[in-house]
This record gives sequence, structure tokens and C-alpha cells, in this order.
Amino acid sequence: TQLLEQSPQFLSIQEGENLTVYCNSSSVFSSLQWYRQEPGEGPVLLVTVVTGGEVKKLKRLTFQFGDARKDSSLHITAAQPGDTGLYLCAGAPGTSYGKLTFGQGTILTVHP
Amino acid sequence: ETGVTQSPTHLIKTRGQQVTLRCSSQSGHNTVSWYQQALGQGPQFIFQYYREEENGRGNFPPRFSGLQFPNYSSELNVNALELDDSALYLCASSLAKPGAETFGSGTRLTVV
Repeated sequence: TQLLEQSPQFLSIQEGENLTVYCNSSSVFSSLQWYRQEPGEGPVLLVTVVTGGEVKKLKRLTFQFGDARKDSSLHITAAQPGDTGLYLCAGAPGTSYGKLTFGQGTILTVHP
Repeated sequence: ETGVTQSPTHLIKTRGQQVTLRCSSQSGHNTVSWYQQALGQGPQFIFQYYREEENGRGNFPPRFSGLQFPNYSSELNVNALELDDSALYLCASSLAKPGAETFGSGTRLTVV
């Protein structure tokens, strides 16, 4: 069984601060995705990383996939209240599509 | 193009009853996956359907069953409901490639 450990579980910061969320596993994933979920809604895909060592930037968000494709991180620079939400990492096994293994999620609160 | 539509949005059932949840996949998507998300947790993979056949299953008992129809829409059926089945049930459709899953807003099931 593949597991994804996501940390921290809760993060409460002030506007303008930087933060990093980590996603770790002992298993190798063919790809790893980061989602953001608002209350009462489904997860919305932020990014997919596929290649070990890959770094992707999306405005103030930087995503990194570990060289061994077992871990990933999400870094947010100068957080804003609009970044508040639940952030989820999810790994896809082998050559299968979908069938995602999700981490427990990180609840981020950015205070004005 | 339309997104993933789930119905109903909310449902209250009594322990022991049966429930059917419905999902209309995004236009052109031939793969549907179902996930269960308990409060405060990440989604857990239930099963996936591809071309009307079950294509992988997570660690859920047989009382969780599904169907996919020729138009790629899908149903999730749960028999003999238990209190622990209370959760947000998410449907995701994709075109069988990494990162292409689109999630619906989910059905909030409460078992009393």
C-alpha cells in the first residue's frame, strides 16, 4: 500500500510570510499532483510533476519533485489571504492513471 | 465544455439503508474514479471505471459497488450503510493520462 505523509497538517501565518508544505513517501510515484480544495468543493489541480528533480513555478507557488520521485514540496512566497485553503498532494502509481493516493492535506490559513 | 457534475449535493440516510450517487463525467473523458473524503482527511480511492469495466479498486468492502454507462457517466452504490460511511464522495473523470483528472464538487453523505 502506497502512503503519502503530508506535513504540516495545519499552518497559520500572516500575510506576506513564506511557507513550505512537504509530501513524503517510501514509494515511487510515476507522477505527483498538488491540489487545492475549498470547503464544499472538489479538489482543483494546481500542478502535475512527472520527472525526478523537476521544478515548476506557478506565480508565487513553486513545486518540486524529488530526484527519486518519492517526495515533493510546495513553497508559497509572500502568502496572501486568498491562498487560504486545503492543499493536497496526490501520487499516481506506476503506469496507472487516476487511482490517486492522497496525503492527509494541509489546512493553510493566511491572516491579513 | 462542461465539467464533472455530481448529484445529489447532499444526502441524509439511515444506517442500514442503500444509497446511489451519480456522476456525469467531463465531455470526452472515458475514465471515472470515485473517492471518499472523511472530514479533515485527504480523499481515499474507492474504484475506477474505464469503458464500463472496473479498472482498479482501493481498500473498500464489496458493499461499495459501481457502474459506468456507455456515455461514461457513472454511479456509486453503497449497501448496508454504516455511520462511518458519512463523508464527501468525489467523482473524478479523466482521459487516462497523468494530471488530467477533473473533480466534481462531491456529494455530502450523512448516515444517521
